[in-house]
Amino acid sequence: RKEVEQDPGPFNVPEGATVAFNCTYSNSASQSFFWYRQDCRKEPKLLMSVYSSGNEDGRFTAQLNRASQYISLLIRDSKLSDSATYLCVVKSSSASKIIFGSGTRLSIRP
Amino acid sequence: SQTIHQWPATLVQPVGSPLSLECTVEGTSNPNLYWYRQAAGRGLQLLFYSVGIGQISSEVPQNLSASRPQDRQFILSSKKLLLSDSGFYLCAWSVGTHNTEAFFGQGTRLTVV
Repeated sequence: RKEVEQDPGPFNVPEGATVAFNCTYSNSASQSFFWYRQDCRKEPKLLMSVYSSGNEDGRFTAQLNRASQYISLLIRDSKLSDSATYLCVVKSSSASKIIFGSGTRLSIRP
Repeated sequence: SQTIHQWPATLVQPVGSPLSLECTVEGTSNPNLYWYRQAAGRGLQLLFYSVGIGQISSEVPQNLSASRPQDRQFILSSKKLLLSDSGFYLCAWSVGTHNTEAFFGQGTRLTVV
């Protein structure tokens, strides 16, 4: 079983739609969680951290369910510029190992 | 501010040739350092990580090795490249505490021919 699993997509949605991505992780001792965004042929960049109580940054909302070992990302009012691959990331309990999911491709159409 | 440098940006190497990719970090001390590989259309595979000088953890047994000769220098090497070593190699650093993210270099696109 992979340590971090994501639906690879692609998700193809119209501009203005709401889209949600899910991610599951296998190690219950994992402590830190993030969502990254990766544009084509570029390095990944942090989109947002995921906190236990859930957190919001503009149109983006991240949630963590420790009991189910599940992380989600919600994008509201999607823009063309949101087209990218979204990577779920888990940092180990020792704060040393950082594991990336395989990513979910999102394509926003006009 | 912290910066991470990774070079070269692109590399074309013949099968059987050696490889050395270097990554350096500035503006921080004792960072955790990481090497990832991304095959075309795939996710990031963690290859090696290091929490200190000379300390290397290998995640995937393969044709590659890593070294950390200095606090802020991380080197990825191979003695003989295989076709399957082609990919996008990314170096990253992070602080060794929770809730701190990883920061990436711009990556090296390696093509083995």
